[in-house]
Amino acid sequence: NAGVTQTPKFQVLKTGQSMTLQCAQDMNHNSMYWYRQDPGMGLRLIYYSASEGTTDKGEVPNGYNVSRLNKREFSLRLESAAPSQTSVYFCASSDAGTGVNEQYFGPGTRLTVT
Amino acid sequence: AQKITQTQPGMFVQEKEAVTLDCTYDTSDPSYGLFWYKQPSSGEMIFLIYQGSYDQQNATEGRYSLNFQKARKSANLVISASQLGDSAMYFCAMREPRQAGTALIFGKGTTLSVSS
Repeated sequence: NAGVTQTPKFQVLKTGQSMTLQCAQDMNHNSMYWYRQDPGMGLRLIYYSASEGTTDKGEVPNGYNVSRLNKREFSLRLESAAPSQTSVYFCASSDAGTGVNEQYFGPGTRLTVT
Repeated sequence: AQKITQTQPGMFVQEKEAVTLDCTYDTSDPSYGLFWYKQPSSGEMIFLIYQGSYDQQNATEGRYSLNFQKARKSANLVISASQLGDSAMYFCAMREPRQAGTALIFGKGTTLSVSS
C-alpha cells in the first residue's frame, strides 16, 4: 500500500515554463486535494476534487489548473510558472462524509521558480 | 479573520515533560472537525488526532490528547511525556463541511523543540 505518491520530488523551473505535478492514491478515496506550503503560512488549499469528475477552487487557485484523471489520480498544472509559485506542494486524499476521514498526504514536491 | 489561530510560533520543552500547543478556531458552522498534524523536518504530514464538534469527550490517542473547549473555540493539543522524536512543526486544522467540501483549513503552525 503506497498511500499517496507524488512526482517529482524536486523541480526547478524558469519563469514562464510549464509543468504538471502528478499525484496518485491507492486507498480508493473519493476526495483529493492540492495544497501549497509557504514559510510561516501553513498549508493553503489550491484546488480540490470531492469526487471523480468534479473539481473546485480553493483559497489560492490563481495560476493553476487541475485534472481529476480518474479516481486514483489528480494532477496540478502550472501553465506559466512565476517566482511567487515557489513553494512546497502537497497532494492529499480522504474519504468523504462524516466521521474522522483524516487526510493522507503525499511526501510533497519542492518547486523553485527562478 | 483567521479561521485557525496558533499563537505560539515556537515552544521549548524538556524530555518527559508535558506540553500544550494552543489552537483557537472560528466558525459559524455547528458541524465541524478539528485535526492536529505533525510535520517532522523530513517534511511529511502525519495525522495525530481528531475531535468532532459533537463529540462529548476530549479525544485521546496514546500520548496525545485534545483539550476541546467548545464555548471558547479552542482545541489545544497536549503531548504528555515529551520525547526527542516529538520535535517537529505541529499544525491545527479545521474541516467545515459546508465550505470547500472536506478540505482542511490550517493554522500557521507551532514549532516544538524537545531537549534532553
